[in-house]
Amino acid sequence: EIVMTQSPATLSVSPGERAILSCRASQSVSSNLAWYQQKPGQAPRLLIYGASTRATGIPARFSGSGSGTEFTLTISSLQSEDFAVYYCQQYNNRPWTFGQGTKVEIK
Amino acid sequence: QVQLVESGGDLVKPGGSLRLSCAASGFTFSDFYMSWIRQAPGKGLECVSDISKSGDTTYYADSVGGRFTISRDNDKKSLYLQMNSLRAEDTAVYYCARGHTILDFRGQGTLVTVSS
Repeated sequence: EIVMTQSPATLSVSPGERAILSCRASQSVSSNLAWYQQKPGQAPRLLIYGASTRATGIPARFSGSGSGTEFTLTISSLQSEDFAVYYCQQYNNRPWTFGQGTKVEIK
Repeated sequence: QVQLVESGGDLVKPGGSLRLSCAASGFTFSDFYMSWIRQAPGKGLECVSDISKSGDTTYYADSVGGRFTISRDNDKKSLYLQMNSLRAEDTAVYYCARGHTILDFRGQGTLVTVSS
């Protein structure tokens, strides 16, 4: 099973600042990597797939990069609605696995 | 718009059974693989099961294989998860999602609690 490790566990950022979230895979997942956003009491929301393709309706301030084992989600200028938990997920090898999440909180 | 409405969650005793349903609308249901994903309280996400467009191919996580059965009815635009021999560790919010690699969550989930 591929282990996905996200860092940091918590990221404290001021509104308007940039946030950089990392996700590392225990073995290569090529570009088969997705990012999700989850707010309290809500289902996850797909942000990025294919490591760098934004899902429909996702603002341009969200961008993804990386391939192989190292991936990054960047939020260029944090808005109030962006404070949430973010998960990465690999879908290269069964079972698909998620990272443990990075909580982005208001500084 | 795309909507997925999960239902069927409840409090059940260990060893008991439950059937979850997911009603889909706003898209051509038969064109998509569908998945069940769960999230234990305060924990991360786990892919539980998925099913092909026609229903002839299924996948189960090792943690639920032999106990859970996924199925679908394309005429009714519905997805199901029959859960048997439930354990305390099955306690979670269960989400259905469109797709089976890239997951499109559009519902609110349904809570399954396994406790005596």
